[in-house]
Amino acid sequence: ETGVTQSPTHLIKTRGQQVTLRCSSQSGHNTVSWYQQALGQGPQFIFQYYREEENGRGNFPPRFSGLQFPNYSSELNVNALELDDSALYLCASSLPRSPHPDYGYTFGSGTRLTVV
Amino acid sequence: DAKTTQPPSMDCAEGRAANLPCNHSTISGNEYVYWYRQIHSQGPQYIIHGLKNNETNEMASLIITEDRKSSTLILPHATLRDTAVYYCIVRGLSGGYNKLIFGAGTRLAVHP
Repeated sequence: ETGVTQSPTHLIKTRGQQVTLRCSSQSGHNTVSWYQQALGQGPQFIFQYYREEENGRGNFPPRFSGLQFPNYSSELNVNALELDDSALYLCASSLPRSPHPDYGYTFGSGTRLTVV
Repeated sequence: DAKTTQPPSMDCAEGRAANLPCNHSTISGNEYVYWYRQIHSQGPQYIIHGLKNNETNEMASLIITEDRKSSTLILPHATLRDTAVYYCIVRGLSGGYNKLIFGAGTRLAVHP
């Protein structure tokens, strides 16, 4: 059983640029969530995708967008990068309406984005 | 979703039990308590969850008070590899989808 893989692991971008981060979900999981984790803080929910549609969103502006593909992999796109977007971006896969008591989220190791 | 309160940091000697407390006084009847941990530079890792009964697995034990307003995660024999940030999360289902709401967690340092 494969886990969640994210790419790239590290990335440096310039303010105003656009970035795309990628995530492959764990085998059998069809729901993908994205989280942003600033240094020293807990992860913050960005949005979730299920059946290729956004299924819920946290308090993030529209320049944060995503996609989910038929194979359940996902992309996070951020336009017009700002310095405060520097963070660890985590992808988590799960089954619908998980964490069910018997299931949990499976997180990837994240992409460290630095905006300069 | 109910809010959780955890101490910002704790220390534990290697080989001793680590007891990490969590307050969730506004938890509702159908909300579960989940614990995750995050080792430096990795994604959060699921540890254990429970509703109202005490739970144990190969990683840890979870003790939930009878009124469900607080819980304790117990690592029975802490090792240096247990040094991590531990998150207590009360999970709710909102608007047909689910999400985990993380607080700042407890930074556990296990020392020799």
